[in-house]
Amino acid sequence: QITLKESGPTLVKPTQTLTLTCTFSGFSLRSSGVGVGWIRQPPGKALEWLTLIYWDDDKRYSPSLKSRLTITKDTSKNQVVLSLTNMDPVDTATYYCAHATLYGSGSFFPHWGQGTPVTVSS
Amino acid sequence: SYVLTQPPSVPVAPGQTASITCGGNNIGSKSVHWYQQKPGQAPVLVVYGYSDRPSGIPERFSGSNSGNTATLTISRVEAGDEADYYCQVWDSSSDTWVFGGGTKVTVL
Repeated sequence: QITLKESGPTLVKPTQTLTLTCTFSGFSLRSSGVGVGWIRQPPGKALEWLTLIYWDDDKRYSPSLKSRLTITKDTSKNQVVLSLTNMDPVDTATYYCAHATLYGSGSFFPHWGQGTPVTVSS
Repeated sequence: SYVLTQPPSVPVAPGQTASITCGGNNIGSKSVHWYQQKPGQAPVLVVYGYSDRPSGIPERFSGSNSGNTATLTISRVEAGDEADYYCQVWDSSSDTWVFGGGTKVTVL
């Protein structure tokens, strides 16, 4: 059974850096074709893909947020960490991590964490 | 950047068929994946690839894709199908993942 869970602060101040951890079980980030992605959803709005890291440490970032995003993995701990710098109130959203599976040349997300709400406010 | 366009809402009566479209430039050349999201819950994958379903997803959910439009079809709609539905593709030209704006399916 694959599970993922996000953890981190629920409230951050403008200009601060958000750091979220995704702890997963039921799969290994050492396995070929496996990845973990981060997706966010502002209140009442659509899903927005942020970043993804593959088993081979290949990383992809949303072009609009690339300068502010960092994704890393700790395979021994089954964790993936998201960092988003210079937080702004528009970054207020629920942040999801998701297990990614290669399909053709891309991936889809068969399993998701429950999400963690993050509010940016002074 | 690649854009996916979905209608904001689709009303449907119980027992009828709901068709949710996802428009994109030459989307027929891409693999399209569909997610269901109920209020306060994380998205759930319901269809991936051409029309494959994860374990536990009813056969009432199916997908099709051609030209500039992909479609998620829900047959014999039930009250429990009321949710937001999102399409998703991987855009090879930008090497990014893209979600549509979402469609709210309302069961009348």
